[in-house]
This record gives sequence, C-alpha cells and structure tokens, in this order.
Amino acid sequence: RKEVEQDPGPFNVPEGATVAFNCTYSNSASQSFFWYRQDCRKEPKLLMSVYSSGNEDGRFTAQLNRASQYISLLIRDSKLSDSATYLCVVNEGFKTIFGAGTRLFVKA
Amino acid sequence: DAMVIQNPRYQVTQFGKPVTLSCSQTLNHNVMYWYQQKSSQAPKLLFHYYDKDFNNEADTPDNFQSRRPNTSFCFLDIRSPGLGDAAMYLCATSRDTDKSEYFGPGTRLTVT
Repeated sequence: RKEVEQDPGPFNVPEGATVAFNCTYSNSASQSFFWYRQDCRKEPKLLMSVYSSGNEDGRFTAQLNRASQYISLLIRDSKLSDSATYLCVVNEGFKTIFGAGTRLFVKA
Repeated sequence: DAMVIQNPRYQVTQFGKPVTLSCSQTLNHNVMYWYQQKSSQAPKLLFHYYDKDFNNEADTPDNFQSRRPNTSFCFLDIRSPGLGDAAMYLCATSRDTDKSEYFGPGTRLTVT
C-alpha cells in the first residue's frame, strides 16, 4: 500500500463546476497535512494546510478525517486557471511524503 | 523576490560526469530538502538538512551526496550520473520539519 494515495485523475470539468479530490494516508502518526498545486514543468506551491476542523480559503475547502486517515480538497466554481496537478502531502514529523497527484483540466 | 533560488535551471551532463546543482534561500529556514521528480510522478525526497544535521533517506543511492556549507546554501552532487538520473531536482526549505515547504523552481537535468 502506498504511503499517500490519491485519485489518479485526470479530472476534466467545465468552468463553474465543483470538483473534489480525495487522498488517504497509511501512517496514523502523521502530524501535518497539506495540499500543493503544481503547474506543468513548475515547482509545487502550497495551496493550503489541512486541519481537523476543516478550513476554507475562497473557493477551496480542505478537510481532514484522522480516524479514517482521509484528506479531501473541494474546489467550487472552477476556473480555467485551476488547471494543474494537485498534490496531497503528509508530514510525519521528520519526513514529508507526496502523493502522485491528481491532474485537473478545467475547460471553457 | 525569489526566496528559494536554484542554479542552473537547466543542466546537461554526460553519462558518468559529476555534476553539482545549487540551491540558496533568503528565508533563513532551518531545513533544506532535495527532491527528485520524474515525469508524472510525485517528488521523491532524497535527503534533508536540519541546520547542519544531514538526514539521508534509506533508498537514496550513494551516487547522490549533499553539502550545506551555511544556512543559505545547499548543494546536490551527483557523482556519476546515469541515464536514469535525468529528472527535475527540486530544492525546498521549511522553518521546521513539520511545517509547509517552499520550493525553488527546480533544475532540470539531462544526461546524455
């Protein structure tokens, strides 16, 4: 079992759609959680941290369920500029593990 | 202003010819990381420094070495590049090992 698993995608959605990404992690002792965005041939950039209480940043909402070892990212009202790969990232204190990413294509 | 800088952005080296990639940061972060990322794959952690303490991942080949002469700079040395080492090499920093990471733009390495 992979340490961090994500929906492989790609997700192809029209502008304005709501899209949800899921991620599971294997180490119950994991301490911190993030979503990163990576554009083609660019470096990953932090999108948002993920907290047990859930957190929202504009059109983006992240949720963490520690009991199920599950992380989600919801994007509302998708824009063309949201097209990218979304990486689920889990930190175990001394080690950061990236998921393979989910590709999103938003089309006009 | 760039906070994590990598040079060069593109590097071509010959099979077996040693190559050094560099990374510098203006964030004064304690931790610096090197990742290898191949096409359509997740970034794979090679090693990290917490201050001067070097932490090697168990599956990082001996062919890869690193140096951190001071807080701002970190180098990745590939002693004898093979064709399989062609990849994007990403440097990242963080305040502490459980904090979010800031990435540099990466160095794309080609091995001929």
